[in-house]
Amino acid sequence: KAGVTQTPRYLIKTRGQQVTLSCSPISGHRSVSWYQQTPGQGLQFLFEYFSETQRNKGNFPGRFSGRQFSNSRSEMNVSTLELGDSALYLCASRMLTRETSGPTDTQYFGPGTRLTVL
Amino acid sequence: SQQGEEDPQALSIQEGENATMNCSYKTSINNLQWYRQNSGRGLVHLILIRSNEREKHSGRLRVTLDTSKKSSSLLITASRAADTASYFCATDAETSGSRLTFGEGTQLTVNP
Repeated sequence: KAGVTQTPRYLIKTRGQQVTLSCSPISGHRSVSWYQQTPGQGLQFLFEYFSETQRNKGNFPGRFSGRQFSNSRSEMNVSTLELGDSALYLCASRMLTRETSGPTDTQYFGPGTRLTVL
Repeated sequence: SQQGEEDPQALSIQEGENATMNCSYKTSINNLQWYRQNSGRGLVHLILIRSNEREKHSGRLRVTLDTSKKSSSLLITASRAADTASYFCATDAETSGSRLTFGEGTQLTVNP
């Protein structure tokens, strides 16, 4: 099976611009989550989508948004970019099934998109 | 905020030695996962341990979980230079709705 793919891999933008990142999950996976990784804050959860609906959201400003399409592909958008938005943005997919002991689905990560804001 | 804390922050060993990394967390969890990251690239899933499990093995990896102490350890046996990477623990907390909360990571360097 192909893994999680993210495009583009690298992106350079200037302050005030907006950016859209794309993520294609593993075939059959219906849940897609987004994480931001920075040296200062580490790995932080942005949001999760399942069946085209946002089911969980982290503590990020409204400039960060996302959506999921019927084929489970997801995009995240950051508007009015700030220098602090420079980061590695990681997408993860999982099948989302529930077993008797609780949700145990492994999240598989893509290679990430390195965003640099100048 | 980071739920987990990892210890040590950095670890340097020789090839063939064992490497042990520890992770502590704060809230009740459904499961705990360990990931590896090479040089700021994507995260590679290593192993998942459920809250009702105490130990799990996968190849050269051994993970333990002590829910009473809210801690986990990852042991890599017979390390190789290719094991050089950052290692993160991630918890799926009961109250977090399946989001993963990551520790700060341990940078492992295996010298040939």
